[in-house]
Amino acid sequence: ETGVTQSPTHLIKTRGQQVTLRCSSQSGHNTVSWYQQALGQGPQFIFQYYREEENGRGNFPPRFSGLQFPNYSSELNVNALELDDSALYLCASSLDSGETQYFGPGTRLLVL
Amino acid sequence: AQSVTQLDSQVPVFEEAPVELRCNYSSSVSVYLFWYVQYPNQGLQLLLKYLSGSTLVESINGFEAEFNKSQTSFHLRKPSVHISDTAEYFCAVSPRRGNYQLIWGAGTKLIIKP
Repeated sequence: ETGVTQSPTHLIKTRGQQVTLRCSSQSGHNTVSWYQQALGQGPQFIFQYYREEENGRGNFPPRFSGLQFPNYSSELNVNALELDDSALYLCASSLDSGETQYFGPGTRLLVL
Repeated sequence: AQSVTQLDSQVPVFEEAPVELRCNYSSSVSVYLFWYVQYPNQGLQLLLKYLSGSTLVESINGFEAEFNKSQTSFHLRKPSVHISDTAEYFCAVSPRRGNYQLIWGAGTKLIIKP
């Protein structure tokens, strides 16, 4: 059984740029959730994708967008990067939008 | 809406001593409850969860947590900690319906003193 993987592991961008983060779900899982974890804080829910459709969104602006592919992998796109977007971005997968989510190692984004 | 409060940002404890990490939550609907652990520079790992049934749940590495509905708490305990337990511990809840999005506490850093 393959766990959740994310790429890249680290990324440095400058303010105003755009970034794409990628996530491969655990084998057999069809749901992906994205979370933002700022330094010293708990994660915050960004959105969830279930069978290629958005299935809930947290309090994040529209410049945070996502996509889920037929193989259930997912992308998180962030446009017009701001300094406060610097964080660890976590992807979690589950089965049928189920209650137990399994997390990847995260992508650490630094915006300068 | 739900919220989670972890009452201690850091808990220092001597090796082989017992520890309790406190978690209280607020919710207008029934919730599932979780503890996740985050080792330095790593992602989050599920430690244990309460979905239904017995209010005392255990993990494979000696941690346990008890769901107390009247006190809206889900405290995490271990009778004897090891240096390898050094990590940050996050309490989270999700509503029992919908997309089960997780609402998180701010985390508690467990610091093991030799």
